[in-house]
Amino acid sequence: DTGVSQDPRHKITKRGQNVTFRCDPISEHNRLYWYRQTLGQGPEFLTYFQNEAQLEKSRLLSDRFSAERPKGSFSTLEIQRTEQGDSAMYLCASSLALGTLGGTAQETQYFGPGTRLLVL
Amino acid sequence: AQTVTQSQPEMSVQEAETVTLSCTYDTSESDYYLFWYKQPPSRQMILVIRQEAYKQQNATENRFSVNFQKAAKSFSLKISDSQLGDAAMYFCAYRITGTASKLTFGTGTRLQVTL
Repeated sequence: DTGVSQDPRHKITKRGQNVTFRCDPISEHNRLYWYRQTLGQGPEFLTYFQNEAQLEKSRLLSDRFSAERPKGSFSTLEIQRTEQGDSAMYLCASSLALGTLGGTAQETQYFGPGTRLLVL
Repeated sequence: AQTVTQSQPEMSVQEAETVTLSCTYDTSESDYYLFWYKQPPSRQMILVIRQEAYKQQNATENRFSVNFQKAAKSFSLKISDSQLGDAAMYFCAYRITGTASKLTFGTGTRLQVTL
């Protein structure tokens, strides 16, 4: 079990630039989540995939944000025209859901180490 | 909207002692799950313990146990025999059943463990 991995671990960019983050879930997991965590706050849900389908997006996910999971394996989160307010830790989590909807308490979300973004 | 409140930004406990972290939540749902996650410094978040709302019995995992009071919408975490490795941010989280399994987190409690 290699766990959830994220790349890069740190990213510094200038305002207005585009950035892309990658998440590799645990191999047999069918669900993949993106969360954002700012200083002093808990993680906030952004979006999630079941296999390659993006099933829910938070209102936090503005038009500048796009996420994909093209083959139901790894996922990318792209932020276009970054703003200073985008500075945060971006967390990815994956889980194995046995049903098509909802989840059971046994569906544990395993988190990656996160990508810390700083927009100057 | 569901909210999760952790009113203790920081807590401190001596090694081998017991500490309780508080969490309250607000929901109109009757069926849901509650979790405590631990986030050590510069390390990834891991699940500590979970509780199904329909179960009256409080969950226990080794030194970690919860006090779940459904009517009061309270879900506290008790850590017994605290160890230096317990030092971390602890997040309370909530998830409803039947729909997307996204987690709603509180703002966290930073736990310090002293010698």
